[in-house]
Amino acid sequence: ETGVTQSPTHLIKTRGQQVTLRCSSQSGHNTVSWYQQALGQGPQFIFQYYREEENGRGNFPPRFSGLQFPNYSSELNVNALELDDSALYLCASSLVAGGLGETQYFGPGTRLLVL
Amino acid sequence: AQKITQTQPGMFVQEKEAVTLDCTYDTSDPSYGLFWYKQPSSGEMIFLIYQGSYDQQNATEGRYSLNFQKARKSANLVISASQLGDSAMYFCAMREYNNNDMRFGAGTRLTVKP
Repeated sequence: ETGVTQSPTHLIKTRGQQVTLRCSSQSGHNTVSWYQQALGQGPQFIFQYYREEENGRGNFPPRFSGLQFPNYSSELNVNALELDDSALYLCASSLVAGGLGETQYFGPGTRLLVL
Repeated sequence: AQKITQTQPGMFVQEKEAVTLDCTYDTSDPSYGLFWYKQPSSGEMIFLIYQGSYDQQNATEGRYSLNFQKARKSANLVISASQLGDSAMYFCAMREYNNNDMRFGAGTRLTVKP
């Protein structure tokens, strides 16, 4: 069974640029959630995708957008990068959306540095 | 709004001893789930243990147990027989039944000393 994978592992961008981060969910999982983890903080929920539709969103501006594909892999796109976007971006997949016991399994993350 | 508080920025424990990591939460929803994750320096969040708000017994998973005190809104993680490989950041998280937003605390850095 393949776990959650993310690419790239590291990325350096300049302010104003756009970036796309990719995530492959664990086999059999149809739900993907994205989180931003700034240095020294806990992860913050960006949004969740379930069967190719956005299924909840945190307090992030519209320049953070996403996609989920028929194979349940997902992309996180960030436009007009700002210095504060520098963070570890984590993708998590789960078997179902919602439900108290929904356990999310995380990938290794993508470290984004905005200069 | 849900809120998770981890009051211990850092903890030290001697190898083979037990350690308790504190977590308190705030929610008005009677239905919620509580999670603990471990994050080594590599960055990946590793799921450790889950407790539902209606579960009658404290959750246990191997060396991990969750001391769930619902009235006090606390969900402390107990690690027994600490190992050097347990050194990592530990995060407490909660999700309410009708909310896909899983909220995390600020984390506790655990260091296991030989």
